[in-house]
Amino acid sequence: EVQLVESGGGLERPGGSLRLSCAASGFPFSSYAMSWVRQAPGKGLEWVSGISGSGDTTHYADSVRGRFTISRDNSRNTLHLQMNLLKAEDTALYYCAKEVGAWYWGQGTPVTVSS
Amino acid sequence: QAVVTQEPSLTVSPGGTVTLTCGSSTGAVTSGHYPYWFQQKPGQAPRTLIYHTTNKHSWTPARFSGFLLGDKAALTLSGAQPEDEADYYCLLYYGGTRKAFGGGTKLTVL
Repeated sequence: EVQLVESGGGLERPGGSLRLSCAASGFPFSSYAMSWVRQAPGKGLEWVSGISGSGDTTHYADSVRGRFTISRDNSRNTLHLQMNLLKAEDTALYYCAKEVGAWYWGQGTPVTVSS
Repeated sequence: QAVVTQEPSLTVSPGGTVTLTCGSSTGAVTSGHYPYWFQQKPGQAPRTLIYHTTNKHSWTPARFSGFLLGDKAALTLSGAQPEDEADYYCLLYYGGTRKAFGGGTKLTVL
């Protein structure tokens, strides 16, 4: 059974940093591209960043490029999102998702950016 | 960055049929965009209904079907049930790991 468990969310001040993690199990992690997707309160889904199975290809939404860094540790079956220079508009529930064929989603970790 | 468009809201009668569409600012949506459809109910994570235009997951009710309609991707619900009331999001791939979601369609069964 595919399981994705996000962690690392919390309250941070504007300009600060947070590192999100996603622990994956139930599938060959290194074989699958992964994404981070966020959802601001009462809003729709926004794709944030994606990474290939090997980790050598990454892409970012314009809204986070240059501030966020996606990475993965295939030896630990873990996906990360390093978020720097946080802004109020980064406030959202952050989901990790397994791609390829049907997407599988975690339950999300909340991030609040506020002074 | 590409913009993906969906109807903001639609209403369907119980037992009725409704079609949701998904367009792209870059031009016609094709199978090369690997269209996805996700369903999200309040307080829940999204779940995949349709992937790669037409493919259903094991949990996708038979009353949902995905296809290309003109220059858009489409999701048809035939025989709407009260439990189908939810937000529906399409997702398109734009090469490599780049992708974009539509703004979502709030479907009311009434």
